[in-house]
Amino acid sequence: AAGVIQSPRHLIKEKRETATLKCYPIPRHDTVYWYQQGPGQDPQFLISFYEKMQSDKGSIPDRFSAQQFSDYHSELNMSSLELGDSALYFCASSLGRGALLYEQYFGPGTRLTVT
Amino acid sequence: AQKITQTQPGMFVQEKEAVTLDCTYDTSDPSYGLFWYKQPSSGEMIFLIYQGSYDQQNATEGRYSLNFQKARKSANLVISASQLGDSAMYFCAIVNSGAGSYQLTFGKGTKLSVIP
Repeated sequence: AAGVIQSPRHLIKEKRETATLKCYPIPRHDTVYWYQQGPGQDPQFLISFYEKMQSDKGSIPDRFSAQQFSDYHSELNMSSLELGDSALYFCASSLGRGALLYEQYFGPGTRLTVT
Repeated sequence: AQKITQTQPGMFVQEKEAVTLDCTYDTSDPSYGLFWYKQPSSGEMIFLIYQGSYDQQNATEGRYSLNFQKARKSANLVISASQLGDSAMYFCAIVNSGAGSYQLTFGKGTKLSVIP
Protein backbone atom coordinates (compact mmCIF):
# COMPACT_ATOMS: atom_id res chain seq x y z
CA ALA A 1 0.00 0.00 0.00
CA ALA A 2 1.14 3.52 -0.75
CA GLY A 3 2.49 5.48 2.18
CA VAL A 4 3.21 9.11 2.94
CA ILE A 5 6.28 10.32 1.05
CA GLN A 6 8.56 13.01 2.36
CA SER A 7 11.46 14.61 0.58
CA PRO A 8 14.23 15.11 1.10
CA ARG A 9 14.93 12.53 3.81
CA HIS A 10 17.98 14.42 5.01
CA LEU A 11 18.86 18.08 4.64
CA ILE A 12 21.82 20.08 5.85
CA LYS A 13 21.59 23.86 5.83
CA GLU A 14 23.54 26.72 7.32
CA LYS A 15 22.17 29.35 9.65
CA ARG A 16 20.05 32.00 7.96
CA GLU A 17 19.46 29.82 4.92
CA THR A 18 16.08 28.67 3.63
CA ALA A 19 14.72 25.14 3.44
CA THR A 20 11.69 23.58 1.77
CA LEU A 21 10.30 20.25 2.91
CA LYS A 22 7.82 18.36 0.79
CA CYS A 23 5.08 15.93 1.73
CA TYR A 24 3.03 13.71 -0.56
CA PRO A 25 0.05 12.24 1.31
CA ILE A 26 -1.46 8.83 0.76
CA PRO A 27 -3.65 8.91 -2.39
CA ARG A 28 -7.17 10.21 -1.61
CA HIS A 29 -6.09 11.68 1.71
CA ASP A 30 -7.11 15.30 1.91
CA THR A 31 -5.66 16.32 5.26
CA VAL A 32 -2.00 16.93 6.01
CA TYR A 33 -0.31 17.59 9.34
CA TRP A 34 3.23 18.78 10.05
CA TYR A 35 5.05 17.92 13.28
CA GLN A 36 8.51 18.88 14.55
CA GLN A 37 10.50 16.55 16.79
CA GLY A 38 13.63 18.00 18.37
CA PRO A 39 16.44 15.70 19.60
CA GLY A 40 15.16 13.62 22.53
CA GLN A 41 11.79 15.36 22.41
CA ASP A 42 8.23 14.37 21.63
CA PRO A 43 6.71 15.52 18.33
CA GLN A 44 5.10 18.94 18.42
CA PHE A 45 2.27 19.92 16.11
CA LEU A 46 3.07 22.76 13.72
CA ILE A 47 0.23 23.19 11.26
CA SER A 48 -2.45 21.27 9.34
CA PHE A 49 -4.40 21.61 6.11
CA TYR A 50 -7.74 20.22 5.04
CA GLU A 51 -8.82 20.47 1.42
CA LYS A 52 -6.01 22.94 0.69
CA MET A 53 -7.04 25.32 3.47
CA GLN A 54 -5.19 25.79 6.73
CA SER A 55 -7.26 24.04 9.37
CA ASP A 56 -5.21 24.43 12.53
CA LYS A 57 -2.04 26.07 13.71
CA GLY A 58 0.23 25.02 16.53
CA SER A 59 3.64 26.17 17.66
CA ILE A 60 4.89 27.15 14.22
CA PRO A 61 7.40 30.03 14.15
CA ASP A 62 6.59 33.05 12.01
CA ARG A 63 9.69 32.21 9.95
CA PHE A 64 7.92 29.09 8.75
CA SER A 65 5.09 28.92 6.26
CA ALA A 66 3.26 26.06 4.65
CA GLN A 67 0.64 25.35 2.07
CA GLN A 68 -1.27 22.51 0.49
CA PHE A 69 -1.51 22.38 -3.27
CA SER A 70 -4.27 21.30 -5.64
CA ASP A 71 -2.83 17.77 -5.81
CA TYR A 72 -2.90 17.70 -1.97
CA HIS A 73 0.84 17.62 -1.53
CA SER A 74 2.15 20.07 1.02
CA GLU A 75 5.32 22.08 1.44
CA LEU A 76 6.82 23.51 4.60
CA ASN A 77 9.01 26.55 3.92
CA MET A 78 11.50 27.54 6.58
CA SER A 79 13.45 30.78 6.35
CA SER A 80 16.25 32.37 8.39
CA LEU A 81 17.12 28.97 9.77
CA GLU A 82 18.44 28.78 13.31
CA LEU A 83 20.42 26.06 15.07
CA GLY A 84 17.33 25.26 17.11
CA ASP A 85 15.42 24.31 13.96
CA SER A 86 17.51 21.14 13.72
CA ALA A 87 14.93 18.41 14.13
CA LEU A 88 13.01 15.58 12.54
CA TYR A 89 10.03 16.94 10.62
CA PHE A 90 7.12 14.59 10.14
CA CYS A 91 4.25 14.88 7.77
CA ALA A 92 1.11 12.86 8.43
CA SER A 93 -1.99 12.45 6.33
CA SER A 94 -5.56 11.36 6.94
CA LEU A 95 -8.82 11.05 5.07
CA GLY A 96 -11.67 13.45 5.60
CA ARG A 97 -13.41 14.16 8.85
CA GLY A 98 -15.03 12.06 11.54
CA ALA A 99 -13.60 8.84 12.81
CA LEU A 100 -11.34 8.30 9.83
CA LEU A 101 -9.60 11.55 10.57
CA TYR A 102 -8.22 9.99 13.71
CA GLU A 103 -6.10 7.68 11.60
CA GLN A 104 -3.05 9.78 10.88
CA TYR A 105 -0.41 8.01 8.84
CA PHE A 106 3.09 9.31 9.31
CA GLY A 107 5.77 9.69 6.69
CA PRO A 108 9.37 8.65 7.36
CA GLY A 109 10.35 12.20 8.29
CA THR A 110 12.90 14.70 7.04
CA ARG A 111 15.92 15.14 9.24
CA LEU A 112 17.04 18.77 9.08
CA THR A 113 20.42 19.74 10.41
CA VAL A 114 21.30 23.43 10.67
CA THR A 115 25.00 24.19 11.07
CA ALA B 1 -6.09 21.88 26.53
CA GLN B 2 -5.18 18.24 26.47
CA LYS B 3 -2.18 16.56 28.02
CA ILE B 4 -0.48 13.18 28.02
CA THR B 5 1.72 11.99 30.85
CA GLN B 6 4.13 9.10 30.53
CA THR B 7 5.89 8.65 33.85
CA GLN B 8 8.41 5.99 32.78
CA PRO B 9 11.35 7.52 30.92
CA GLY B 10 12.88 4.08 30.47
CA MET B 11 11.84 0.46 30.94
CA PHE B 12 13.63 -2.87 30.70
CA VAL B 13 11.96 -6.18 29.95
CA GLN B 14 13.24 -9.68 29.46
CA GLU B 15 12.68 -11.20 26.04
CA LYS B 16 9.39 -13.18 25.86
CA GLU B 17 8.02 -11.42 28.96
CA ALA B 18 5.07 -9.01 28.94
CA VAL B 19 5.52 -5.32 29.70
CA THR B 20 3.13 -2.48 30.50
CA LEU B 21 3.86 1.09 29.47
CA ASP B 22 1.91 3.69 31.41
CA CYS B 23 -0.05 6.59 29.97
CA THR B 24 -2.45 8.97 31.65
CA TYR B 25 -4.28 11.73 29.89
CA ASP B 26 -6.16 14.88 30.64
CA THR B 27 -8.89 16.32 28.47
CA SER B 28 -12.16 18.08 29.07
CA ASP B 29 -13.73 16.82 25.85
CA PRO B 30 -15.91 13.69 26.06
CA SER B 31 -14.92 12.70 22.51
CA TYR B 32 -11.29 11.81 21.98
CA GLY B 33 -8.97 9.16 20.65
CA LEU B 34 -5.88 7.64 22.19
CA PHE B 35 -2.94 6.29 20.23
CA TRP B 36 0.30 4.49 20.78
CA TYR B 37 3.20 4.92 18.40
CA LYS B 38 6.54 3.14 18.24
CA GLN B 39 9.64 5.02 17.17
CA PRO B 40 12.72 2.87 16.56
CA SER B 41 16.19 4.39 16.39
CA SER B 42 15.74 4.86 12.64
CA GLY B 43 13.21 7.58 13.43
CA GLU B 44 9.99 6.59 11.70
CA MET B 45 6.73 6.83 13.65
CA ILE B 46 4.88 3.53 13.54
CA PHE B 47 1.20 3.39 14.52
CA LEU B 48 0.48 0.55 16.94
CA ILE B 49 -3.02 0.83 18.35
CA TYR B 50 -6.00 3.15 18.74
CA GLN B 51 -8.73 3.47 21.37
CA GLY B 52 -11.76 5.72 21.00
CA SER B 53 -13.30 7.32 24.06
CA TYR B 54 -16.65 5.65 23.39
CA ASP B 55 -15.26 2.21 22.65
CA GLN B 56 -16.64 -0.32 25.09
CA GLN B 57 -13.89 -2.86 24.68
CA ASN B 58 -10.14 -2.51 25.04
CA ALA B 59 -8.35 -2.35 21.72
CA THR B 60 -6.05 -5.19 20.69
CA GLU B 61 -3.68 -5.54 17.75
CA GLY B 62 -1.67 -8.72 17.71
CA ARG B 63 0.78 -8.61 20.62
CA TYR B 64 -0.38 -5.12 21.57
CA SER B 65 -3.35 -4.38 23.79
CA LEU B 66 -4.53 -1.18 25.35
CA ASN B 67 -5.73 -1.24 28.96
CA PHE B 68 -8.27 1.59 28.83
CA GLN B 69 -9.58 2.79 32.18
CA LYS B 70 -11.71 5.79 31.38
CA ALA B 71 -12.58 6.80 34.93
CA ARG B 72 -8.89 6.90 35.81
CA LYS B 73 -7.99 8.54 32.47
CA SER B 74 -5.48 5.83 31.85
CA ALA B 75 -4.51 4.14 28.57
CA ASN B 76 -1.65 1.76 29.26
CA LEU B 77 -0.04 -0.24 26.48
CA VAL B 78 0.60 -3.91 27.12
CA ILE B 79 3.11 -5.73 24.93
CA SER B 80 3.00 -9.48 25.30
CA ALA B 81 5.87 -11.85 24.54
CA SER B 82 8.45 -9.08 24.05
CA GLN B 83 10.88 -9.40 21.18
CA LEU B 84 14.28 -7.81 20.66
CA GLY B 85 12.75 -5.76 17.84
CA ASP B 86 10.41 -4.12 20.33
CA SER B 87 13.30 -2.04 21.67
CA ALA B 88 12.30 1.52 20.78
CA MET B 89 10.70 4.73 22.05
CA TYR B 90 6.98 4.46 22.64
CA PHE B 91 4.74 7.50 22.53
CA CYS B 92 1.20 7.81 23.80
CA ALA B 93 -0.87 10.48 22.07
CA ILE B 94 -4.36 11.96 22.19
CA VAL B 95 -6.52 13.59 19.58
CA ASN B 96 -9.42 15.71 20.68
CA SER B 97 -12.11 16.49 18.17
CA GLY B 98 -14.22 18.71 20.37
CA ALA B 99 -12.68 21.97 19.23
CA GLY B 100 -12.52 20.90 15.61
CA SER B 101 -8.80 20.38 15.85
CA TYR B 102 -7.42 16.96 15.08
CA GLN B 103 -3.81 17.50 16.00
CA LEU B 104 -2.05 14.85 18.02
CA THR B 105 -0.66 15.75 21.42
CA PHE B 106 2.14 13.41 22.47
CA GLY B 107 3.60 12.40 25.80
CA LYS B 108 7.34 12.53 26.47
CA GLY B 109 7.73 8.88 25.59
CA THR B 110 9.09 5.73 27.22
CA LYS B 111 12.27 4.09 26.01
CA LEU B 112 11.81 0.34 26.09
CA SER B 113 14.83 -1.95 26.07
CA VAL B 114 14.31 -5.68 25.58
CA ILE B 115 17.03 -7.82 27.14
CA PRO B 116 17.94 -11.18 25.58
